[in-house]
Amino acid sequence: GDSVTQMEGPVTLSEEAFLTINCTYTATGYPSLFWYVQYPGEGLQLLLKATKADDKGSNKGFEATYRKETTSFHLEKGSVQVSDSAVYFCALSPLYNFNKFYFGSGTKLNVKP
Amino acid sequence: NAGVTQTPKFQVLKTGQSMTLQCAQDMNHNSMYWYRQDPGMGLRLIYYSASEGTTDKGEVPNGYNVSRLNKREFSLRLESAAPSQTSVYFCASRGTEGNTQYFGPGTRLTVL
Repeated sequence: GDSVTQMEGPVTLSEEAFLTINCTYTATGYPSLFWYVQYPGEGLQLLLKATKADDKGSNKGFEATYRKETTSFHLEKGSVQVSDSAVYFCALSPLYNFNKFYFGSGTKLNVKP
Repeated sequence: NAGVTQTPKFQVLKTGQSMTLQCAQDMNHNSMYWYRQDPGMGLRLIYYSASEGTTDKGEVPNGYNVSRLNKREFSLRLESAAPSQTSVYFCASRGTEGNTQYFGPGTRLTVL
Protein backbone atom coordinates (compact mmCIF):
# COMPACT_ATOMS: atom_id res chain seq x y z
CA GLY A 1 0.00 0.00 0.00
CA ASP A 2 0.87 3.67 -0.11
CA SER A 3 3.21 4.94 2.58
CA VAL A 4 5.71 7.63 3.52
CA THR A 5 9.01 7.18 5.33
CA GLN A 6 10.92 10.11 6.72
CA MET A 7 14.08 10.38 8.72
CA GLU A 8 13.79 10.10 12.44
CA GLY A 9 14.65 13.01 14.63
CA PRO A 10 15.30 15.01 16.45
CA VAL A 11 17.58 16.97 14.19
CA THR A 12 19.59 19.64 16.00
CA LEU A 13 21.32 22.37 14.02
CA SER A 14 22.96 25.68 14.70
CA GLU A 15 21.45 28.81 13.23
CA GLU A 16 22.41 29.39 9.57
CA ALA A 17 23.23 25.70 9.02
CA PHE A 18 21.97 23.78 5.97
CA LEU A 19 18.96 21.57 6.52
CA THR A 20 17.96 18.34 4.79
CA ILE A 21 15.10 16.15 5.98
CA ASN A 22 14.76 12.99 3.94
CA CYS A 23 11.42 11.67 2.75
CA THR A 24 10.75 8.66 0.52
CA TYR A 25 7.44 7.25 -0.53
CA THR A 26 5.74 4.17 -1.88
CA ALA A 27 2.73 4.76 -4.07
CA THR A 28 0.89 3.67 -7.18
CA GLY A 29 1.23 6.08 -10.06
CA TYR A 30 1.96 9.74 -9.45
CA PRO A 31 0.73 10.93 -6.06
CA SER A 32 0.81 14.53 -4.87
CA LEU A 33 3.49 15.18 -2.26
CA PHE A 34 3.42 17.62 0.63
CA TRP A 35 5.45 19.00 3.49
CA TYR A 36 3.54 20.25 6.50
CA VAL A 37 5.02 22.05 9.51
CA GLN A 38 3.71 21.94 13.06
CA TYR A 39 4.88 24.59 15.51
CA PRO A 40 4.59 23.81 19.23
CA GLY A 41 1.00 23.68 20.41
CA GLU A 42 -0.42 24.36 16.95
CA GLY A 43 -2.02 22.47 14.08
CA LEU A 44 -0.35 21.49 10.83
CA GLN A 45 0.31 24.17 8.25
CA LEU A 46 1.01 23.47 4.60
CA LEU A 47 4.63 24.38 3.88
CA LEU A 48 4.91 23.34 0.22
CA LYS A 49 3.68 20.79 -2.26
CA ALA A 50 4.38 19.24 -5.65
CA THR A 51 1.90 17.45 -7.86
CA LYS A 52 4.01 15.90 -10.62
CA ALA A 53 7.45 14.51 -11.25
CA ASP A 54 10.32 17.05 -11.33
CA ASP A 55 8.11 19.75 -9.80
CA LYS A 56 9.82 21.84 -7.15
CA GLY A 57 7.76 23.18 -4.28
CA SER A 58 9.11 26.16 -2.38
CA ASN A 59 8.04 28.47 0.43
CA LYS A 60 9.76 30.56 3.12
CA GLY A 61 13.20 29.47 1.90
CA PHE A 62 12.32 25.76 2.02
CA GLU A 63 12.43 23.65 -1.13
CA ALA A 64 11.63 20.08 -2.13
CA THR A 65 11.80 18.40 -5.54
CA TYR A 66 9.52 15.54 -6.60
CA ARG A 67 11.90 12.79 -7.76
CA LYS A 68 10.04 9.92 -9.37
CA GLU A 69 13.18 7.90 -10.13
CA THR A 70 14.20 7.79 -6.46
CA THR A 71 10.63 8.12 -5.05
CA SER A 72 11.83 10.96 -2.85
CA PHE A 73 10.74 14.43 -1.76
CA HIS A 74 13.53 15.68 0.49
CA LEU A 75 13.06 19.00 2.30
CA GLU A 76 15.96 21.48 2.19
CA LYS A 77 16.74 24.94 3.46
CA GLY A 78 20.00 26.77 2.95
CA SER A 79 20.14 28.65 6.24
CA VAL A 80 17.86 27.74 9.14
CA GLN A 81 16.68 30.12 11.82
CA VAL A 82 15.65 29.53 15.41
CA SER A 83 12.08 30.25 14.33
CA ASP A 84 12.20 27.16 12.06
CA SER A 85 12.19 24.90 15.12
CA ALA A 86 9.13 22.69 14.64
CA VAL A 87 8.02 19.22 13.59
CA TYR A 88 7.99 18.59 9.85
CA PHE A 89 5.71 16.01 8.23
CA CYS A 90 6.03 14.57 4.76
CA ALA A 91 2.73 13.36 3.26
CA LEU A 92 1.28 11.98 0.07
CA SER A 93 -2.17 12.00 -1.47
CA PRO A 94 -2.77 9.26 -4.05
CA LEU A 95 -3.97 10.16 -7.50
CA TYR A 96 -6.78 7.59 -7.22
CA ASN A 97 -8.30 9.00 -4.03
CA PHE A 98 -7.90 12.60 -2.84
CA ASN A 99 -9.53 11.66 0.47
CA LYS A 100 -6.57 9.53 1.46
CA PHE A 101 -3.60 11.24 3.02
CA TYR A 102 -0.59 9.28 4.24
CA PHE A 103 1.73 10.98 6.69
CA GLY A 104 5.25 10.20 7.75
CA SER A 105 5.97 9.99 11.46
CA GLY A 106 7.37 13.52 11.61
CA THR A 107 10.86 14.93 12.15
CA LYS A 108 11.50 17.33 14.97
CA LEU A 109 13.93 20.13 14.16
CA ASN A 110 15.68 22.07 16.90
CA VAL A 111 17.69 25.12 15.85
CA LYS A 112 20.11 26.56 18.39
CA PRO A 113 21.13 30.23 18.38
CA ASN B 1 -11.82 34.11 7.58
CA ALA B 2 -11.00 31.76 10.48
CA GLY B 3 -10.24 28.67 8.40
CA VAL B 4 -10.77 25.49 10.42
CA THR B 5 -11.77 25.87 14.08
CA GLN B 6 -12.02 23.20 16.76
CA THR B 7 -13.52 23.11 20.24
CA PRO B 8 -12.56 22.42 22.92
CA LYS B 9 -8.81 22.97 22.92
CA PHE B 10 -8.21 20.69 25.91
CA GLN B 11 -10.35 18.04 27.59
CA VAL B 12 -9.89 15.51 30.37
CA LEU B 13 -12.31 12.60 30.62
CA LYS B 14 -12.70 9.62 32.87
CA THR B 15 -12.90 6.15 31.36
CA GLY B 16 -16.43 5.48 30.14
CA GLN B 17 -17.48 9.11 29.77
CA SER B 18 -18.68 10.43 26.44
CA MET B 19 -17.95 13.63 24.62
CA THR B 20 -18.19 15.32 21.23
CA LEU B 21 -15.40 17.23 19.53
CA GLN B 22 -16.61 20.02 17.30
CA CYS B 23 -15.10 21.20 14.03
CA ALA B 24 -16.19 23.95 11.66
CA GLN B 25 -14.73 25.46 8.50
CA ASP B 26 -15.61 28.67 6.70
CA MET B 27 -13.85 27.96 3.40
CA ASN B 28 -16.87 26.35 1.71
CA HIS B 29 -14.98 23.06 1.45
CA ASN B 30 -16.83 19.89 0.54
CA SER B 31 -14.59 17.38 2.31
CA MET B 32 -13.75 17.17 6.00
CA TYR B 33 -11.56 14.82 8.03
CA TRP B 34 -10.76 13.72 11.57
CA TYR B 35 -7.27 12.55 12.48
CA ARG B 36 -5.55 11.52 15.64
CA GLN B 37 -1.89 12.21 16.31
CA ASP B 38 0.11 9.96 18.58
CA PRO B 39 3.82 10.25 19.38
CA GLY B 40 6.04 8.77 16.67
CA MET B 41 3.09 7.77 14.49
CA GLY B 42 2.27 10.81 12.43
CA LEU B 43 -1.41 11.39 11.80
CA ARG B 44 -3.93 8.61 11.26
CA LEU B 45 -7.31 9.11 9.65
CA ILE B 46 -10.30 8.24 11.83
CA TYR B 47 -13.25 9.21 9.61
CA TYR B 48 -13.88 11.50 6.72
CA SER B 49 -16.79 13.09 4.92
CA ALA B 50 -16.31 13.55 1.21
CA SER B 51 -19.40 15.71 0.94
CA GLU B 52 -22.38 16.83 2.99
CA GLY B 53 -24.48 13.82 3.92
CA THR B 54 -21.74 11.20 3.53
CA THR B 55 -19.21 9.75 5.96
CA ASP B 56 -16.64 6.97 5.60
CA LYS B 57 -14.26 5.10 7.85
CA GLY B 58 -10.58 5.80 7.78
CA GLU B 59 -7.68 3.81 9.17
CA VAL B 60 -8.66 3.80 12.89
CA PRO B 61 -12.47 4.23 13.25
CA ASN B 62 -13.14 1.89 16.19
CA GLY B 63 -14.56 3.65 19.24
CA TYR B 64 -15.64 6.77 17.31
CA ASN B 65 -18.69 8.08 15.51
CA VAL B 66 -19.04 11.16 13.33
CA SER B 67 -21.77 13.46 12.12
CA ARG B 68 -21.63 15.82 9.16
CA LEU B 69 -24.12 18.30 10.50
CA ASN B 70 -24.02 20.58 7.44
CA LYS B 71 -21.41 21.70 4.96
CA ARG B 72 -19.53 23.69 7.60
CA GLU B 73 -19.55 21.33 10.58
CA PHE B 74 -18.18 17.85 11.21
CA SER B 75 -18.24 16.43 14.75
CA LEU B 76 -16.45 13.46 16.29
CA ARG B 77 -18.06 11.56 19.16
CA LEU B 78 -16.52 9.24 21.69
CA GLU B 79 -19.38 7.22 23.21
CA SER B 80 -17.37 5.51 25.97
CA ALA B 81 -13.88 6.92 26.26
CA ALA B 82 -10.91 4.65 26.89
CA PRO B 83 -7.32 5.51 27.90
CA SER B 84 -6.18 4.34 24.44
CA GLN B 85 -8.06 7.32 23.01
CA THR B 86 -5.74 9.77 24.76
CA SER B 87 -4.37 11.71 21.82
CA VAL B 88 -4.38 14.99 19.96
CA TYR B 89 -7.26 15.21 17.51
CA PHE B 90 -7.12 17.29 14.35
CA CYS B 91 -9.88 18.25 12.00
CA ALA B 92 -9.08 19.16 8.40
CA SER B 93 -10.95 20.23 5.29
CA ARG B 94 -10.32 20.16 1.56
CA GLY B 95 -11.86 22.07 -1.31
CA THR B 96 -12.61 20.83 -4.82
CA GLU B 97 -9.84 22.78 -6.49
CA GLY B 98 -7.07 20.47 -5.37
CA ASN B 99 -6.00 17.92 -2.83
CA THR B 100 -4.47 20.16 -0.16
CA GLN B 101 -5.91 19.64 3.31
CA TYR B 102 -6.16 22.53 5.79
CA PHE B 103 -5.93 21.76 9.47
CA GLY B 104 -7.46 23.11 12.64
CA PRO B 105 -5.44 23.82 15.81
CA GLY B 106 -6.26 20.50 17.46
CA THR B 107 -7.92 19.18 20.62
CA ARG B 108 -5.72 17.58 23.26
CA LEU B 109 -7.73 14.82 24.93
CA THR B 110 -6.67 12.88 28.01
CA VAL B 111 -8.67 9.88 29.21
CA LEU B 112 -7.90 8.78 32.76
